[in-house]
Amino acid sequence: GAVVSQHPSWVICKSGTSVKIECRSLDFQATTMFWYRQFPKQSLMLMATSNEGSKATYEQGVEKDKFLINHASLTLSTLTVTSAHPEDSSFYICSAPGAGTDTQYFGPGTRLTVL
Amino acid sequence: AQSVTQLDSHVSVSEGTPVLLRCNYSSSYSPSLFWYVQHPNKGLQLLLKYTSAATLVKGINGFEAEFKKSETSFHLTKPSAHMSDAAEYFCALGGGGSYIPTFGRGTSLIVHP
Repeated sequence: GAVVSQHPSWVICKSGTSVKIECRSLDFQATTMFWYRQFPKQSLMLMATSNEGSKATYEQGVEKDKFLINHASLTLSTLTVTSAHPEDSSFYICSAPGAGTDTQYFGPGTRLTVL
Repeated sequence: AQSVTQLDSHVSVSEGTPVLLRCNYSSSYSPSLFWYVQHPNKGLQLLLKYTSAATLVKGINGFEAEFKKSETSFHLTKPSAHMSDAAEYFCALGGGGSYIPTFGRGTSLIVHP
């Protein structure tokens, strides 16, 4: 099956710093990737759709200047949390649809803790 | 608009007994339906999916789900629970040309020894 990786798996940073999270499709190309945020004991909340070669599409209420998304190649999307604050602490998950299907393949997630 | 309702936030079973996790959906088009499992601090793993072929879908780890259009349901079952099945389970609705699934709120499966 299709494999999606994320790096890092966890990160702790100081308030005010920026953190970059990478999402890679390892054995398939993904022109579209999705970024989700998940709070404890809750479902996934879609943050944005990452589009290779064009601007990301953000969901309502998500600050695009806060959560910078870059989809530089067909296998890599990055999410940068700028000027992170404790309220940005969360579990961030990316996904990519399998080629020609609507089946999403998820990365293992990144646990961000902002002190 | 489409929606997914997972009827139980928590389901508690004893090891070796059957598991039933309920999911109902609402969709104006032929749906694709998915069950994902999430272990603590992990991403989501696809258990099984329905895409208009056989209504009884078999997945990994002994799970299966039956698509019932008349009841707009896609309940997940397993004959005998194992301790390793304890996790969060998400039902998701796709299709209609969109790659973005609609997720249910999740059901936490607790397995007692």
